[in-house]
Amino acid sequence: DGGITQSPKYLFRKEGQNVTLSCEQNLNHDAMYWYRQDPGQGLRLIYYSQIVNDFQKGDIAEGYSVSREKKESFPLTVTSAQKNPTAFYLCASSTGTSADTQYFGPGTRLTVL
Amino acid sequence: GIQVEQSPPDLILQEGANSTLRCNFSDSVNNLQWFHQNPWGQLINLFYIPSGTKQNGRLSATTVATERYSLLYISSSQTTDSGVYFCAVMVGSWGKLQFGAGTQVVVTP
Repeated sequence: DGGITQSPKYLFRKEGQNVTLSCEQNLNHDAMYWYRQDPGQGLRLIYYSQIVNDFQKGDIAEGYSVSREKKESFPLTVTSAQKNPTAFYLCASSTGTSADTQYFGPGTRLTVL
Repeated sequence: GIQVEQSPPDLILQEGANSTLRCNFSDSVNNLQWFHQNPWGQLINLFYIPSGTKQNGRLSATTVATERYSLLYISSSQTTDSGVYFCAVMVGSWGKLQFGAGTQVVVTP
């Protein structure tokens, strides 16, 4: 099946720890994105990548880092510098053109204990 | 940056009812999408509709780009239509979508 997978589905982190969220796509899409969603709110863009080995900060990049070493993969690291990391994290991909639509993974729910 | 406002914030419908959701945006856009987020968090793309009208089953959408708004129509609503509906717009050549806060829809049997 073509699609986007995210793992884990649920993640618990102690304060001061870094954690990495996985995002993989087999849609052959060039562009990938990470969003954060807080309860009752819309999605906010953390980072996005148009091509391999290139990525840009979104609106709320502080405390997060990414890499794009392979076209299929765009992992997100939530560092200890992120003040309030408890949220729902969604990964998406698209062809990267202005007329494209974005396809989303099932999400990872991160809770800081 | 561009502002995206959705209304109403919440909507409760009886099964079989029709409804209209609205999305206003503050600047010209070259990409507008409607998404449905189910109660488990999965977002599904409903429409790519920067202008004009599209229909998909019981759902249809209209965007009037010159007046900076889009409408999503749900007809003969079903309980499976429950969830949050998001409008998202793109300014610029690609990629960055700006999301509205969403409309929470609850369809009761």
